[in-house]
Amino acid sequence: EDQVTQSPEALRLQEGESSSLNCSYTVSGLRGLFWYRQDPGKGPEFLFTLYSAGEEKEKERLKATLTKKESFLHITAPKPEDSATYLCAVWGSQGNLIFGKGTKLSVKP
Amino acid sequence: GAVVSQHPSWVICKSGTSVKIECRSLDFQATTMFWYRQFPKQSLMLMATSNEGSKATYEQGVEKDKFLINHASLTLSTLTVTSAHPEDSSFYICSATPGQVYGYTFGSGTRLTVV
Repeated sequence: EDQVTQSPEALRLQEGESSSLNCSYTVSGLRGLFWYRQDPGKGPEFLFTLYSAGEEKEKERLKATLTKKESFLHITAPKPEDSATYLCAVWGSQGNLIFGKGTKLSVKP
Repeated sequence: GAVVSQHPSWVICKSGTSVKIECRSLDFQATTMFWYRQFPKQSLMLMATSNEGSKATYEQGVEKDKFLINHASLTLSTLTVTSAHPEDSSFYICSATPGQVYGYTFGSGTRLTVV
């Protein structure tokens, strides 16, 4: 069964304190792993797509990496405006995106 | 970039009435759109897959007679919540895919409150 598990559920950081979010996945034949950011009361916003193990993508303070079983979203020197829920998803066997439950990140000044 | 527009952003309705939510792909054609529901502090739950020119595919446990979906054109899908009740109050989000590399592009969501 296709599955995406994210951890931790919630993460509180001080401004400047770097950390990583984890996304473990089980899918037959990975066709793409996606990271999204969702602010309260808004739809998810696309961040990255990763396709193969070893691939990395960067955007400002965020860097996404991918292995055969999991993906990490590294946040370097976060700022309060990075506070959001980060969602991970993979293309499932049925042709639809399967989402994890998300990690709620709070960055305190 | 690909944009999905969702309207309205929020709506308050009385119990027993119906509410229609629109989802439009603005700069690409979408033969398939997806409707999600999200409860507070929970992740996205796929409700149904909307297919242009044909019937929607509903996920298990979603009442097709309550959540009517119409996908009459390549850029518009609508979700009508019929005979709404307070337990239907939720955040509804639509999405479409402009291409596999982007996954899904999401609308901004509709906050439905049934009083």
